[in-house]
Parts: sequence; C-alpha cells; structure tokens
Amino acid sequence: LAKTTQPISMDSYEGQEVNITCSHNNIATNDYITWYQQFPSQGPRFIIQGYKTKVTNEVASLFIPADRKSSTLSLPRVSLSDTAVYYCLVGDEVGNTGKLIFGQGTTLQVKP
Amino acid sequence: DGGITQSPKYLFRKEGQNVTLSCEQNLNHDAMYWYRQDPGQGLRLIYYSQIVNDFQKGDIAEGYSVSREKKESFPLTVTSAQKNPTAFYLCASSLQGYQPQHFGDGTRLSIL
Repeated sequence: LAKTTQPISMDSYEGQEVNITCSHNNIATNDYITWYQQFPSQGPRFIIQGYKTKVTNEVASLFIPADRKSSTLSLPRVSLSDTAVYYCLVGDEVGNTGKLIFGQGTTLQVKP
Repeated sequence: DGGITQSPKYLFRKEGQNVTLSCEQNLNHDAMYWYRQDPGQGLRLIYYSQIVNDFQKGDIAEGYSVSREKKESFPLTVTSAQKNPTAFYLCASSLQGYQPQHFGDGTRLSIL
C-alpha cells in the first residue's frame, strides 16, 4: 500500500485559498487518491476523489500531476468552519478493499 | 436520510468485561469497516467485511471480534483480551473497494 506524507499542520485566514499537498511516491497504477475531512469527535467525511489530472466539486478541487506522485487539495475561500484535520489516502479496489492507510493528517487552523 | 448509526456514543467497560459496539447502515453498502482512533492519531483498521458472512482482519485485530450476519449490521466486540481499549471507535461503509467510505459519528470507549 502506498504511504502518504502530508504536512502536520497549516494555518490560514478566512477568505484565503488553502492548498494542502500530499506526497505518495509509491502510488500504484490502480490506486485512487481520496481526501477526507474530520472534525473533533466526529467520523471523517469524504471530500473528493481522483485518479489523474483535475477533479472539482462544490467544496474543493484536487490537482494530480501526470506522474501521480503527489496531489494537492485546494479549498477556495476558507472559513472558520473549515478548521479540521484533512487526510490524504491512496488505495485500490482489487485485493486491498478497505485497507486504506490513514496517516496523522494535516490539521488546518483557519483564523479570523 | 441514509447513513451509518453507531451506538452508544459513550461506553464504559470494567476490567475483564467484553463490550459490543453497534454499527448499522441503511445505505445498501456491501463493505463495512471498523477503525480505532487514539488521540492525535490517524485511524487504524481493526476489521473489515466485503460481504455478508465474511470478514478479514485489519492491522490491529487482536483483542477484537466481529460478525456480519446481515448486510446492514457489523457489530464489534472489544474483548477482555484487548489490554488498552480506551479509544474512539469508528464504523464505516462503502459500495465496494475504492469507493469512498461513509463514517458514523463514533463510539468513545473508556475503562472504569
């Protein structure tokens, strides 16, 4: 399973765009990249998933370069309620169902 | 609304006692998972099940047991063999494999 590396913490201010980069040098051909958000004492919540290039939904964008060895979660115009832990995971559907590795994640602190 | 329900929200265990954590989903998902989260850490996989009447050990299965008699239910028993059971336990489900996992709001287990 591909291991991921992301910054332990980041600070931002309300209204700014936040980019969190995740490194996954050993990503396999079948692996997808998924990001989750977790608030204290709650379960993680799915944010976005991608395989290559760029994916955008109503809350975030995910940028994946051609070599797929890293990915960047982009949160536009963050608010105080975006303060949370963000996890980057990689995993595939064949033979490793459910065996996603959650690292320590990135704790994002949004300040007023 | 479809979702995952974990109960109870808080649970206390006496020394030498087995306790069972409930997880029910009405999302019609085939796969279900149990994770353990310790303070300031990421999630670690305890057990997972891809189909009814089948389940596999995750990375930290010792001291835990599960059953999957119904598609909707995946209870976790924390046995007396688990010497350090105090943690936040999260249940999740997904359609299949790499599909994003949906999480419950967790059960916090403490030792009396």
